[in-house]
Amino acid sequence: SQTIHQWPATLVQPVGSPLSLECTVEGTSNPNLYWYRQAAGRGLQLLFYSVGIGQISSEVPQNLSASRPQDRQFILSSKKLLLSDSGFYLCAWRSTGRETQYFGPGTRLLVL
Amino acid sequence: DQQVKQNSPSLSVQEGRISILNCDYTNSMFDYFLWYKKYPAEGPTFLISISSIKDKNEDGRFTVFLNKSAKHLSLHIVPSQPGDSAVYFCAASAGLQGAQKLVFGQGTRLTINP
Repeated sequence: SQTIHQWPATLVQPVGSPLSLECTVEGTSNPNLYWYRQAAGRGLQLLFYSVGIGQISSEVPQNLSASRPQDRQFILSSKKLLLSDSGFYLCAWRSTGRETQYFGPGTRLLVL
Repeated sequence: DQQVKQNSPSLSVQEGRISILNCDYTNSMFDYFLWYKKYPAEGPTFLISISSIKDKNEDGRFTVFLNKSAKHLSLHIVPSQPGDSAVYFCAASAGLQGAQKLVFGQGTRLTINP
């Protein structure tokens, strides 16, 4: 069966510091991968998606970037965090052509 | 412009009764709809979905209804149980090929009272 991992689970970072969040998927090949953010009291906003290694599409201009160095690895990064980057970050995957996206456990980021 | 809207931020239902969560959308290109359930500090869990070629899909206690002419879908949970207390998100996508980007509503917090 497929599983998706995210780490760390919680992160507290000062403003201006760098960020690296990692997501890995097991049990599937060539998945579509997604990064979402849920701000406090709001819905899920799609940040980035990837249909293959090295292929990244950005949905919202912002302070963040994403990379996919391996087939089942998706990384969310920032060079300098802003206060507004605080939120709950979720990684998701789906098999190409299938209907459902499946989410990881999430990373809670607090920027102080 | 919010393409998927859940106008009720919260809903309170008695245990054993029916819970009805609503969702409206504006983009007529959406052809696939999903409902997710989310507990605090956890990732959303897929519940049930429906294709635009159907008007109803049922899975155990969960039924999703789609009214394309009204651009409205609803999730029915019956009977409601305390473990159903969570935030429910509806999501929509246009096409399964390519990236399949999901657009989410703001969520409805469902509370089941004993």
